[in-house]
Amino acid sequence: SQKIEQNSEALNIQEGKTATLTCNYTNYSPAYLQWYRQDPGRGPVFLLLIRENEKEKRKERLKVTFDTTLKQSLFHITASQPADSATYLCALDMEAGNTGKLIFGQGTTLQVKP
Amino acid sequence: NAGVTQTPKFRILKIGQSMTLQCTQDMNHNYMYWYRQDPGMGLKLIYYSVGAGITDKGEVPNGYNVSRSTTEDFPLRLELAAPSQTSVYFCASSYPVESVEYFGPGTRLLVL
Repeated sequence: SQKIEQNSEALNIQEGKTATLTCNYTNYSPAYLQWYRQDPGRGPVFLLLIRENEKEKRKERLKVTFDTTLKQSLFHITASQPADSATYLCALDMEAGNTGKLIFGQGTTLQVKP
Repeated sequence: NAGVTQTPKFRILKIGQSMTLQCTQDMNHNYMYWYRQDPGMGLKLIYYSVGAGITDKGEVPNGYNVSRSTTEDFPLRLELAAPSQTSVYFCASSYPVESVEYFGPGTRLLVL
């Protein structure tokens, strides 16, 4: 079955720097991969989706890359702000064939210090 | 649109009690999901539904039951609460294509 690994250690960076979070998966390459943000005590909120035929996707200060050879996605936040502090989850389809059932990584907590 | 709503926000149960966690969405999404999230852990899929009358098990279905009589509602039933079911429960919904999920605010459950 598909497995996802995200760096479980918290990432601490200074305001204004670029944060880079990693998501690695095993087995088959998914048709798409998603990134979510979760604040304490709240449900996850969708940020970006990248398809298998896309190398890179951008939205404002966010950038996601998808390398199906390395089985890895990188999530970048440029010019980071304290308000970006949260846990970031990656997710992809649980089974091959785009079933719609997502499996989530355990998340990486980002702390941006002023 | 309210999106995905969940009730209650918080509940304490005694071992062996039962309860239903309510979930409603007003986005006319076909797919709905129940997850649990333990402290410091990712989300684990309990059950999901692709439409009214159709449900299926996820990764961790034991101890839970679901039903889907309407497109809007997807209640989760705990029949005999156990301490291992202490967790935060999230309901989510999505369109079938690419399954971007919209989450509710969660229900925090404590079983003592």
